[in-house]
Order: sequence, then C-alpha cells, then structure tokens
Amino acid sequence: DQQVKQNSPSLSVQEGRISILNCDYTNSMFDYFLWYKKYPAEGPTFLISISSIKDKNEDGRFTVFLNKSAKHLSLHIVPSQPGDSAVYFCAPENPGEKLVFGAGTILRVKS
Amino acid sequence: ETGVTQSPTHLIKTRGQQVTLRCSSQSGHNTVSWYQQALGQGPQFIFQYYREEENGRGNFPPRFSGLQFPNYSSELNVNALELDDSALYLCASSRAQGASSGNTIYFGEGSWLTVV
Repeated sequence: DQQVKQNSPSLSVQEGRISILNCDYTNSMFDYFLWYKKYPAEGPTFLISISSIKDKNEDGRFTVFLNKSAKHLSLHIVPSQPGDSAVYFCAPENPGEKLVFGAGTILRVKS
Repeated sequence: ETGVTQSPTHLIKTRGQQVTLRCSSQSGHNTVSWYQQALGQGPQFIFQYYREEENGRGNFPPRFSGLQFPNYSSELNVNALELDDSALYLCASSRAQGASSGNTIYFGEGSWLTVV
C-alpha cells in the first residue's frame, strides 16, 4: 500500500534550468508535507515544507506547490545548480506524527 | 552537521544473530524516531520514542524493539536477523513530536546493516 508515490525515479536537468519533482499521495489525512534531500553516505536533510492550508511555499530557489484536491505536490528548483544533484524525498507527515516517505527521485544537474 | 550521531556506521551480521544500533540525538531533542531504508526505496517508519516511552510503531514485527534513555539517546535492537533486514537504519530526532508544530526533524547519517 503505497501512500506516497514519486513516479519519476530520476530526472536530468541542465544547470540554470528549472527542476520539477512531483509527488502524489493517497491519504487525505496528511496535513503537512516535507521535502528532504539526501546525498550519498549522508542522512536526509530537511529542505522545505508546506501546510495543507497553503498551496505554495517559497524559500529562495525552492518552491513547493500543493494541490489538495488532486493530492499532488511538486518541488520547483530554479535555477538548478550542480550541487542540487541528490535524491529528493517527498515525506508527508501523518496525524501519528511519523513521516511517510516516497521512494525518491534522483536529480542530476548537468553543468 | 545535524547533531544526530549514529553508531556503528557499517556492520555485517549473520542470519539469526541479534544487532543493536545506537543513536545520540541533538541536544535538547526529546523525540527519536527510527527508519529503515532498503535499497532503492524511501525510509520506512519503524517506531518513535518520546520521553522514554514508545509513541507509535510502524508495520514491523516485534523482533524490532527499542529503548530511549533519560538523556534521550536511543537504541534499536533487532533479533533473529533475516536477510531482508539488510538496509540503512536512520535515526531522526526533534525537539518535540511532529514537524507540523514547527519542529525540524534531523536525521543522522545512518547505520548500514548487511545480513549474510
């Protein structure tokens, strides 16, 4: 039972362009959504989050959009930089206060 | 640097053995969660400890158990190891329960367990 799906296992983007990472979820009880970034041999690091009462949250080059009716969120990175190359996880928080992770999307930013 | 440290970083165990993984949470954090990340998958929630009490458990069998100590450090114990237990085990700590309350959840670098 996959509650969180990141349907693109990988994404390759040219430096300076926009990266768009997508995430779909099935559980309507999710009310807070986080994105984590993970480099090899490191633990996930928090990137940005959004509450279900909002549809957009922006932090520098990173913007997260939430479409509750479609149970879809996306992370936009613009402009993309080579240092952004990592695995990105969508992780909604359920009412039990645990994170439910998607399988991740490998982003590769080419210089 | 998240302030969450895990040990050991890598270990190899034989099927049927027992393993203990350790986590020191960031100073001031009273909540610790453990996640299992198998190859090619996202982390899966094992359980959470809040002020030394188990506070939620994922879909893992009872041979996965844990402890949280008065200084809020934590252990994950796995008995009767199976080949499928081979994974990266991540510890996460936060100041209180839930990210939605404005608490950032910090992860350690993980412990790689290989069961042969």
